[in-house]
Amino acid sequence: TQLLEQSPQFLSIQEGENLTVYCNSSSVFSSLQWYRQEPGEGPVLLVTVVTGGEVKKLKRLTFQFGDARKDSSLHITAAQPGDTGLYLCAGADSWGKLQFGAGTQVVVTP
Amino acid sequence: GAGVSQTPSNKVTEKGKYVELRCDPISGHTALYWYRQSLGQGPEFLIYFQGTGAADDSGLPNDRFFAVRPEGSVSTLKIQRTERGDSAVYLCASSRWAPGEKAGELFFGEGSRLTVL
Repeated sequence: TQLLEQSPQFLSIQEGENLTVYCNSSSVFSSLQWYRQEPGEGPVLLVTVVTGGEVKKLKRLTFQFGDARKDSSLHITAAQPGDTGLYLCAGADSWGKLQFGAGTQVVVTP
Repeated sequence: GAGVSQTPSNKVTEKGKYVELRCDPISGHTALYWYRQSLGQGPEFLIYFQGTGAADDSGLPNDRFFAVRPEGSVSTLKIQRTERGDSAVYLCASSRWAPGEKAGELFFGEGSRLTVL
């Protein structure tokens, strides 16, 4: 059972479209991280959010952390084929333990 | 290279055998994590070390699984009497993250793919 629930599980869109991925939990986290993973590789960090209500932008990616620090979203504007991958959210407790959601598989077709 | 190194990259074994998976973290990283990932799923937490000690081993599924980090650098995940259900990619990650800090980036290796026949 995953502590963090991600939705949707799978998303297939055309190049240029927008998409949003959600990460929800009943637990409060010290911080929340988003990673992207490509086949045969380990996950790579995209962003860390720490403060409730925080919004961070990374080029075409916008990350939000919920006010109660239990949920987060990732929005991609004008998606490109290079955005294809498994997007994972991970919640950290104050002792450094990091637990992942099941991930959202995003496929962007040209 | 300067990244996290995991060996072997692939291991095929028979049910009931003993397996060791090795992780060589980034130099200077005090925190080391082991995760297990099945196809299409997110990484499942197994154990986390700060230095030589296991800070949290609550994710180890049963007493067939054990991990050590005797000198606070290289870690070995040991699986006894392997079962078919142990088949997965075992990921190792390291971090500079120290207790009391809000968060730290985890740097992952490429994983060790274990197949139990």
